[in-house]
Amino acid sequence: SQQGEEDPQALSIQEGENATMNCSYKTSINNLQWYRQNSGRGLVHLILIRSNEREKHSGRLRVTLDTSKKSSSLLITASRAADTASYFCAPLADRGSTLGRLYFGRGTQLTVWP
Amino acid sequence: DSGVTQTPKHLITATGQRVTLRCSPRSGDLSVYWYQQSLDQGLQFLIQYYNGEERAKGNILERFSAQQFPDLHSELNLSSLELGDSALYFCASSRRRDRDNSPLHFGNGTRLTVT
Repeated sequence: SQQGEEDPQALSIQEGENATMNCSYKTSINNLQWYRQNSGRGLVHLILIRSNEREKHSGRLRVTLDTSKKSSSLLITASRAADTASYFCAPLADRGSTLGRLYFGRGTQLTVWP
Repeated sequence: DSGVTQTPKHLITATGQRVTLRCSPRSGDLSVYWYQQSLDQGLQFLIQYYNGEERAKGNILERFSAQQFPDLHSELNLSSLELGDSALYFCASSRRRDRDNSPLHFGNGTRLTVT
């Protein structure tokens, strides 16, 4: 399958805790992107990590990529109630019929309690 | 604000009808993508256009069609609607065609309810 698969399906934590979401994929990739979706709204791009990068930071977000294991993780540190949303990973294939298209999994539903 | 505009925001119609969803991409973006999001199927890629031409097809039904006009706005046409077509339909845009290291920018979607 060309899409990423997020794990866990749902995650519930308290404000201030860290949230870790994982993504597995099956294709050879050009990059992997993480998106966030608030309920009923469009997806918002969070961070992109290229296939030759192993780790990337953006504010409270840390993304890792292990191309040998075809997996990625998204860490949100010091979470806030406003981080409550669904998080999706999308691997971008670097070859084949899915070149250039982003395919999304079912996401991880993160709930952060005040 | 992503800069991608979708209209209408909500649409309620009956089975068998035909509807048109409209998308204006972000200024300067040449690629437009359509996605369908439902509870049972998740977020499904439907179709991509680049600079007016169809670039790729995903899980798009034959009852659905799309086009991108010279001004780069796009329309998704859904016909012979069925109850199962009820979903959120998203449009997204990006700058380039393939091997794209630029992200997708999503609109806020059109919520279609088929009764």
